Amino acid sequence: GDSVTQKQGQVTLSEDDFLFINCTYSTTTYPTLFWYVQYPGQGPQLLLKVTTANNKGISRGFEATYDKGTTSFHLQKASVQESDSAVYFCALVMSNYNVLYFGSGTKLTVEP
Amino acid sequence: DTTVKQNPRYKLARVGKPVNLICSQTMNHDTMYWYQKKPNQAPKLLLFYYDKILNREADTFEKFQSSRPNNSFCSLYIGSAGLEYSAMYLCASSATGFNQDTQYFGPGTRLLVL
Repeated sequence: GDSVTQKQGQVTLSEDDFLFINCTYSTTTYPTLFWYVQYPGQGPQLLLKVTTANNKGISRGFEATYDKGTTSFHLQKASVQESDSAVYFCALVMSNYNVLYFGSGTKLTVEP
Repeated sequence: DTTVKQNPRYKLARVGKPVNLICSQTMNHDTMYWYQKKPNQAPKLLLFYYDKILNREADTFEKFQSSRPNNSFCSLYIGSAGLEYSAMYLCASSATGFNQDTQYFGPGTRLLVL
């Protein structure tokens, strides 16, 4: 079945470090892919999305590229800030009803 | 306003007792979802309403009920809570249509069953 895998449960960085969060997916078609971010005390919110049409999503300094060959959708940011500390979820949508399949999330802690 | 509200934010329940969680949105979204989130696990879809039609996941079919009395409100009902129901419950809504696939989430209800 369709699935999303995030192997990094936790990532700890210092400010201005480069961020890379790995995400791979398994599906029989080409889904729309998302990164959601969840700050403490809040629900997940959309960070960026990528479709098969545009291949790359960029938002707030974060970017992710849709790689059909490796079925990956890694999240990157050149220089993280303490305010980026949050949980990041990779997800894909398959059905006509926008049902999301999530990865288990990566908790990012950015130290000053 | 893209706010999804959930009540209560925290719920303590006893084993065997019922639990009712509430979600509301004012975006006139046609679809509302409930997810269960446990520590170190992915949010898991429990069910969703498209308009007035309820769709429940096969593996949680008998554990959760829901109602949607109008477009804005959706509830999640547990008839008899067990310890395994302790989790964060996230409600979300979405408009379904061309290029409209973003889900908007509420802050969640943290349920603890003792």
